[in-house]
Amino acid sequence: DAGVIQSPRHEVTEMGQEVTLRCKPISGHNSLFWYRQTMMRGLELLIYFNNNVPIDDSGMPEDRFSAKMPNASFSTLKIQPSEPRDSAVYFCASNRGVTGELFFGEGSRLTVL
Amino acid sequence: QQQVKQSPQSLIVQKGGISIINCAYENTAFDYFPWYQQFPGKGPALLIAIRPDVSEKKEGRFTISFNKSAKQFSLHIMDSQPGDSATYFCAASRDTGGFKTIFGAGTRLFVKA
Repeated sequence: DAGVIQSPRHEVTEMGQEVTLRCKPISGHNSLFWYRQTMMRGLELLIYFNNNVPIDDSGMPEDRFSAKMPNASFSTLKIQPSEPRDSAVYFCASNRGVTGELFFGEGSRLTVL
Repeated sequence: QQQVKQSPQSLIVQKGGISIINCAYENTAFDYFPWYQQFPGKGPALLIAIRPDVSEKKEGRFTISFNKSAKQFSLHIMDSQPGDSATYFCAASRDTGGFKTIFGAGTRLFVKA
């Protein structure tokens, strides 16, 4: 079975540019989560969706960050404009709503120069 | 974010020894307490989990001990092996229309051969 698929795996961009990260959750899972991982702050929950509806976006750092889930099989996390402090690994995870187990993708490593 | 505090930050154990990682949480509404294991370049993956109505859960060499009154739980890895070298995260979750999951800061475990 295919797991959570994230793209791109690596992104290097310059400050001020727009960045779009993509995620395809596991088929049949009804919740989707975006996390950011850094050495300093660990795994931070940015936002999560249930049945394509944003439930909690209190972890989104500021207005430069936005996330959408237009359908059950696709989500995006957008940063505009990007800043060097946004450099991190961004993980997408999905959950099928029966137990609390999260299934993570392999992450998108973002470097903002 | 509601905090989950994890210690130690790093741990070095001899092969065959016991690795112990501790976590504490604040919000008594959490009702699912998982541990995730992460290898370099990969996303976290569920290792073992417990619910608060149980004081201990064992799966192979991995055991969770849970103290509801103290709001603490711990992971014990018996007979630690070099292949166990990874980063371990405790987490706390509750079903709020999707299992909102907050992670501890992580523990980097190194098992010496």
